[in-house]
Amino acid sequence: KNEVEQSPQNLTAQEGEFITINCSYSVGISALHWLQQHPGGGIVSLFMLSSGKKKHGRLIATINIQEKHSSLHITASHPRDSAVYICAVSGSKTSYDKVIFGPGTSLSVIP
Amino acid sequence: NAGVTQTPKFQVLKTGQSMTLQCAQDMNHEYMSWYRQDPGMGLRLIHYSVGAGITDQGEVPNGYNVSRSTTEDFPLRLLSAAPSQTSVYFCASSHRTAHKTQYFGPGTRLLVL
Repeated sequence: KNEVEQSPQNLTAQEGEFITINCSYSVGISALHWLQQHPGGGIVSLFMLSSGKKKHGRLIATINIQEKHSSLHITASHPRDSAVYICAVSGSKTSYDKVIFGPGTSLSVIP
Repeated sequence: NAGVTQTPKFQVLKTGQSMTLQCAQDMNHEYMSWYRQDPGMGLRLIHYSVGAGITDQGEVPNGYNVSRSTTEDFPLRLLSAAPSQTSVYFCASSHRTAHKTQYFGPGTRLLVL
């Protein structure tokens, strides 16, 4: 079983829809990261959080430490949001100094 | 600031050749790491460093060497390239530890024939 799992694997949405991507992890962690990778390959960090909720523009990330679960929400989705969204964790007891990545969720937003 | 830079952007090697992928950052970050990304798989950690002179292995270290003689640079060496090392390689850095915002380089696409 992977330490970090994401769902769904692929997601297609109509422009304007509210989108949720889920991430679950199996170990205690110090921080959870959400990243975005556009076609063409560049990887950008969206959020790093260890508790609660963070918001940046139309993006919202939440984490529930007790349930070992995080969600990334996109409000009023737009075709430019089409990308792969990657969840990662760091600071686990077995891999304290390492960042462990999930497999990614590929999002396509159709006009 | 240039952030994290990687060279080359693309490289073709023959089996058995060696090469060094360069990574540099100008943010004075202590933590640096190398990942490979293969189709259908998440980013996998090859090696990482928590500061100059300190390196450690990640999930898939075989066939790769690293060194960290300065804070800025973290080169990745392929000792004897194999087709299984065909991948996209990303370098990343963060302030002090892995539990901070990660900054990624643009990637190096490597093809081993």
